[in-house]
Amino acid sequence: EVQLEQSGAEVKKPGESLKISCKGSAYRFTSNWIGWVRQMPGKGLEWMGMIYPGDSNTRYSPSFQGQVTFSVDKSINTAYLQWSSLKASDTAMYYCARRDSSGFGGAFDIWGQGTMVTVSS
Amino acid sequence: DIQMTQSPSSLSASVGDRVTITCRASQSINTYLNWYQQKPGKAPKLLIYPAASLQGGVPSRFSGSGSGTDFTLTISSLQPEDFATYYCQQSYTTPWTFGQGTKVEIK
Repeated sequence: EVQLEQSGAEVKKPGESLKISCKGSAYRFTSNWIGWVRQMPGKGLEWMGMIYPGDSNTRYSPSFQGQVTFSVDKSINTAYLQWSSLKASDTAMYYCARRDSSGFGGAFDIWGQGTMVTVSS
Repeated sequence: DIQMTQSPSSLSASVGDRVTITCRASQSINTYLNWYQQKPGKAPKLLIYPAASLQGGVPSRFSGSGSGTDFTLTISSLQPEDFATYYCQQSYTTPWTFGQGTKVEIK
């Protein structure tokens, strides 16, 4: 079964750094973009951007450019989302999702279970 | 960025009702429109992509239509397991953008 498994919930203080993970299984990890989606408490879905594990090509939403960094480790089929200095406003659920293999457009056909990040002093 | 506007933001309906949710894009997105269902505490699930193609395993009571700027998601006969929040999303251009969501509640 194709799956994305995300790392567990995190509680951090403002100013701390954080890296959360998303591990793919049962498919060729390097062949599909991996996207990140933020959902703040009680709010809707926000597209943060995507990374292509094959060559680490990235697409960031302007809203998140410079605020977060996407990376991958192909050897262990894992994508990462990281912050260098967290803010309270980063408190949210973060989902990774696989973009399907279509050439143009596309959709997120497989989702991770989400990682809850809480930033509080 | 392309703005996606859903209506209504919420609705109350009974089991067996026909439900229609609309999604409007701020510019033409051809048929690059996806619909997701999200239940409380769960990750979103892809229902329809693109615009009118049902994903495997999605019940046939769900249907999608539209092209250009106006799209609809219809549930022909609402079932208890359909009470959830529904999001449209455009994938015509990056940044992909989501609608604000439509919460379908039990009347």
